[in-house]
Amino acid sequence: DGGITQSPKYLFRKEGQNVTLSCEQNLNHDAMYWYRQDPGQGLRLIYYSQIVNDFQKGDIAEGYSVSREKKESFPLTVTSAQKNPTAFYLCASRDRDRDDGYTFGSGTRLTVV
Amino acid sequence: AQSVTQPDIHITVSEGASLELRCNYSYGATPYLFWYVQSPGQGLQLLLKYFSGDTLVQGIKGFEAEFKRSQSSFNLRKPSVHWSDAAEYFCAVSNFGNEKLTFGTGTRLTIIP
Repeated sequence: DGGITQSPKYLFRKEGQNVTLSCEQNLNHDAMYWYRQDPGQGLRLIYYSQIVNDFQKGDIAEGYSVSREKKESFPLTVTSAQKNPTAFYLCASRDRDRDDGYTFGSGTRLTVV
Repeated sequence: AQSVTQPDIHITVSEGASLELRCNYSYGATPYLFWYVQSPGQGLQLLLKYFSGDTLVQGIKGFEAEFKRSQSSFNLRKPSVHWSDAAEYFCAVSNFGNEKLTFGTGTRLTIIP
């Protein structure tokens, strides 16, 4: 079955370390997105990519970086510059040629200690 | 800029009772509107969407929503809730072309016997 896989489900890191969250999709979707979810704040857009080798900043890009070298993959790096990295991170993708909405992965919960 | 308001942070409903979750949006043009549901620790599942046409849209799991342009609203309804409907519900609006999705802060639904 097609879908989006985020790994790992839980991730623990020490403060000051960079960490990379994985997002892979086999839906053949062109567009991919990273959202951050905090209690009471809904989902906020970090970065998005409409095509391979191109990406744009979302509303809260500071302290994060991404790459899009393959259509299937859109990894997110949480750098040491991110002031409050502990959160639930959700990856999504979308078929730009269809109005089917966004498909979400099951998320990665990152805890920085 | 587009924005979404979900005025109810938490709603409690008895099993079998009707449900209405409120959503108001701010967007200059005709919006693309969505409702998503999230179980604890999971990703988001699309319940329904509105792009154009009939203002009453049907979704999965017995949910429906009505687009009211004059009120800038897209409220979610269900005539009779089940215990399995307990979750968090997010309303979202997208810009023209559906390139970026902006979420409300969510409404947590609790079902009591």
